Amino acid sequence: GENVEQHPSTLSVQEGDSAVIKCTYSDSASNYFPWYKQELGKRPQLIIDIRSNVGEKKDQRIAVTLNKTAKHFSLHITETQPEDSAVYFCAASSNNQGGKLIFGQGTELSVKP
Amino acid sequence: GAVVSQHPSRVICKSGTSVKIECRSLDFQATTMFWYRQFPKQSLMLMATSNEGSKATYEQGVEKDKFLINHASLTLSTLTVTSAHPEDSSFYICSARDRIYEQYFGPGTRLTVT
Repeated sequence: GENVEQHPSTLSVQEGDSAVIKCTYSDSASNYFPWYKQELGKRPQLIIDIRSNVGEKKDQRIAVTLNKTAKHFSLHITETQPEDSAVYFCAASSNNQGGKLIFGQGTELSVKP
Repeated sequence: GAVVSQHPSRVICKSGTSVKIECRSLDFQATTMFWYRQFPKQSLMLMATSNEGSKATYEQGVEKDKFLINHASLTLSTLTVTSAHPEDSSFYICSARDRIYEQYFGPGTRLTVT
């Protein structure tokens, strides 16, 4: 089955700096890669996603890149703000696995003012 | 946007009892719902995939007789934790998938077994 590895597990940056989180996946059939932000005790919130027919997607300060050949994808957050502090999860899914999401281990991002 | 609710949000039960958690899609029909479990400071682990009108598909290592899943309608799936033990204490989250394959998460249920 699919396996998703996420790094780093913790990330501390100064306000205004950029943050990058990386994930690799094992199943070449995976075709959907969402990123979630989760605050303590809350549900995961979708912040951006990318499908396998696209190499990059951007939404204001957040961007995601996908390298299908290498089977890895990354989240880039620019001009970080203290409210970006949370746990971020990547995930992967494929239609032939019924669309179930397999999550990475999570990255705890801390943005220091 | 699509809304998924879960009930209850928190439950405390005694060891050996059973607990039922409901997951509802409020404004769309969900042919597929997913159940996840999340321990403190860990990731979401998929427990099972629930399809309306059929038996749930459980992930490897998840006891189907302990975690009973019923998806009786296009808007409701239930997870029953039977004979709960303290090690079942966790945050249980459901998600519902709409017809264009977007997934929407419920707010989660915090289960504490004493």
